[in-house]
Amino acid sequence: NAGVTQTPKFRILKIGQSMTLQCAQDMNHNYMYWYRQDPGMGLKLIYYSVGAGITDKGEVPNGYNVSRSTTEDFPLRLELAAPSQTSVYFCASSPGGAEDEQFFGPGTRLTVL
Amino acid sequence: AQRVTQPEKLLSVFKGAPVELKCNYSYSGSPELFWYVQYSRQRLQLLLRHISRESIKGFTADLNKGETSFHLKKPFAQEEDSAMYYCALEASGTYKYIFGTGTRLKVLA
Repeated sequence: NAGVTQTPKFRILKIGQSMTLQCAQDMNHNYMYWYRQDPGMGLKLIYYSVGAGITDKGEVPNGYNVSRSTTEDFPLRLELAAPSQTSVYFCASSPGGAEDEQFFGPGTRLTVL
Repeated sequence: AQRVTQPEKLLSVFKGAPVELKCNYSYSGSPELFWYVQYSRQRLQLLLRHISRESIKGFTADLNKGETSFHLKKPFAQEEDSAMYYCALEASGTYKYIFGTGTRLKVLA
């Protein structure tokens, strides 16, 4: 199993551009999460999903959108990139939500100039 | 508000010395608490969770509800323990995790 995969690994965007960060898992996990990690800070939850077709906001959802059309994929969309969105983005999945281990992807380093 | 605090950004100890990574939380209900670790060039991964009461790689953590703490301890540090350690809280039934800012542990030879 590949586990949780994320693409791209790195990306530089100009202000106002849009992009989609891809996340996929092959473990048949119901729960998926998107986090961002700013320098010197902890991970902050952007959005999460408890199953295909169900998504909900986390702590810092502004400027982002998600969709969950399949169990495997959970893409994160940035519509109008801003310098404040410069961060490392982590996708994670877990089998059963509460009390379950979260499995993380390798991260995407995004810079908005 | 729910919060996880890791007061130390960096902790340096010598090999063989005891290690304690501090974690305090703020949550009014019954929390589920975890320690995650990120070794160099590796993904963030679960180290241990309080509900399992397990010892992983010699590390243990005890939930102290009175002090709202979940400190990570190891009696004898090894060089391979050098990593970033994150304490995390899951507010029961919410599926949402709150992470601390992390502590970098450096074990010196």
